[in-house]
Amino acid sequence: GAVVSQHPSWVICKSGTSVKIECRSLDFQATTMFWYRQFPKQSLMLMATSNEGSKATYEQGVEKDKFLINHASLTLSTLTVTSAHPEDSSFYICSARDLNRGNTEAFFGQGTRLTVV
Amino acid sequence: TQLLEQSPQFLSIQEGENLTVYCNSSSVFSSLQWYRQEPGEGPVLLVTVVTGGEVKKLKRLTFQFGDARKDSSLHITAAQPGDTGLYLCAGVNTGGFKTIFGAGTRLFVKA
Repeated sequence: GAVVSQHPSWVICKSGTSVKIECRSLDFQATTMFWYRQFPKQSLMLMATSNEGSKATYEQGVEKDKFLINHASLTLSTLTVTSAHPEDSSFYICSARDLNRGNTEAFFGQGTRLTVV
Repeated sequence: TQLLEQSPQFLSIQEGENLTVYCNSSSVFSSLQWYRQEPGEGPVLLVTVVTGGEVKKLKRLTFQFGDARKDSSLHITAAQPGDTGLYLCAGVNTGGFKTIFGAGTRLFVKA
């Protein structure tokens, strides 16, 4: 399967600071990347969909000014949590798909555990 | 809004038992995936089903896609402790641009 690398794996930050999470497709071109948030013992909640070179599409209830997504290349998307607060602490996961190949399968990064103190 | 209902949410069984996990929706999906997730890691793709009525087998795991492409099931035969984990079904919408996840089934297999 395709490899998606997410970095960092975990991060602790102070309340009010910003944190950037990177998601890279290592062996394929990711025309579309997805960002999810997962709370303990719960499923994945889609936050936004990003297509290379265009603005991300956010799900209802997700603040686009707080969760900045950039998909500047076919192999990299970033999620920046701005002015983080303790309630933003969660497990963030990205996934990537190559729609140009007609693939509907999404491959996931290993996730980033964010703790805001 | 497309929703996927997954059941059961939690399952604790003895090693050697069989189990089935269900994923149901009122919406049609272009494809459906099953993932398994370990704590602190991202989901790992197990299988993709595309055709209505399709059945796929992966060792002791059998996956089925409903004829109408609205539901799916995962059957595990002779479960082992190594099967313990969170199983997630995910449907790709008919436009092919969005993947929607079920709530997940947390499986615990006791030795």
